[in-house]
Amino acid sequence: AQSVTQLDSHVSVSEGTPVLLRCNYSSSYSPSLFWYVQHPNKGLQLLLKYTSAATLVKGINGFEAEFKKSETSFHLTKPSAHMSDAAEYFCVVSDRISGYSTLTFGKGTMLLVSP
Amino acid sequence: DTEVTQTPKHLVMGMTNKKSLKCEQHMGHRAMYWYKQKAKKPPELMFVYSYEKLSINESVPSRFSPECPNSSLLNLHLHALQPEDSALYLCASSQDSVREGRNTEAFFGQGTRLTVV
Repeated sequence: AQSVTQLDSHVSVSEGTPVLLRCNYSSSYSPSLFWYVQHPNKGLQLLLKYTSAATLVKGINGFEAEFKKSETSFHLTKPSAHMSDAAEYFCVVSDRISGYSTLTFGKGTMLLVSP
Repeated sequence: DTEVTQTPKHLVMGMTNKKSLKCEQHMGHRAMYWYKQKAKKPPELMFVYSYEKLSINESVPSRFSPECPNSSLLNLHLHALQPEDSALYLCASSQDSVREGRNTEAFFGQGTRLTVV
């Protein structure tokens, strides 16, 4: 069985400072991992994905994540936070079934950005 | 077009009403999903349709009835709901992961905010 642990329920940063959102996964085989962002009362938007190609993955809005198999981690980073980054972030691991994929979500990390 | 469109955006219904949520995508995706999301929680999978056939029903009460009329449309019929069913209902779609040879990402709609009174 797969699982995802997001280590922080809330992260607070100041605008212009780096962002680090932590995610650890458990999977019995080589996983596919995703980060999604959700702004209040909105759907989920894909930030980036890892599917066994390059271990450093670049996404939208300046975010990137590094897949570290030895640490079973997939942490999300951004060099400089912007006010518009304030949102809920979900780390997700995917299991491939014939014809579709099932997603296992972490509990989410709320990113708060102060001026 | 990389959009999943859900209607309506907001819905208020009584416990005796019958209503439907609609979802549409034109990306050629053959898997479509319904998720339920309560406040401050991650989405929970309800149903999966693969090639217009129901593949997963996560023990959802029968007052929720999914329907996939064709490969672009997904409906969720609601009847005799309870106040605890109030939530954000999200539709998603993804490419055929076996054909793609890899785990594919899901594209989500903006959701329907449902309030049961």
